[in-house]
Amino acid sequence: AQSVTQLDSQVPVFEEAPVELRCNYSSSVSVYLFWYVQYPNQGLQLLLKYLSGSTLVKGINGFEAEFNKSQTSFHLRKPSVHISDTAEYFCAVNRKAAGNKLTFGGGTRVLVKP
Amino acid sequence: SAVISQKPSRDICQRGTSLTIQCQVDSQVTMMFWYRQQPGQSLTLIATANQGSEATYESGFVIDKFPISRPNLTFSTLTVSNMSPEDSSIYLCSVDWGRETQYFGPGTRLLVL
Repeated sequence: AQSVTQLDSQVPVFEEAPVELRCNYSSSVSVYLFWYVQYPNQGLQLLLKYLSGSTLVKGINGFEAEFNKSQTSFHLRKPSVHISDTAEYFCAVNRKAAGNKLTFGGGTRVLVKP
Repeated sequence: SAVISQKPSRDICQRGTSLTIQCQVDSQVTMMFWYRQQPGQSLTLIATANQGSEATYESGFVIDKFPISRPNLTFSTLTVSNMSPEDSSIYLCSVDWGRETQYFGPGTRLLVL
């Protein structure tokens, strides 16, 4: 079975500061990796994904993530956050050949302060 | 990306009743999924809804409690049956958009009293 661990449940950060959200996964087989964002009272929006190729993935809204196979991590970063980045962020994995079933981490709540 | 809508967006229900949630997508898709997000929690997959066949349920979820219909390639419903306060959650549908990617609907916020 696979699991996804988001190491920080909450991350307060000041506006224009950088932020990193940590995600580690456990799987004995190759996986696809995703970050989703959930703004207050909304559904999930896909930020970025890693399927193959370059381990540095760029997404929407200035976010990027780096896949590290040896450390089984997929950390999300943004160099300068805005107030509008206040949201919950979910890391998810999809085990290859598993019928596209996503397993989600527990989520990280980012609060951007002015 | 897909445009996905859900109805209702929110509801307050009495225990013992049932609620049917609709999910509509603007293009034909093979696979649709239903997830539950309990208060303050992450998302858990309830079942996979395939057109023309029975839904496939994950461990801990049963058809009697969460019957699912998938009459065509753009629509699915999830019913939450015989509700209790523990069923208070956000229910989200998603679609398999290809290239291993799922897109999500806006969710249905359910409160059971």
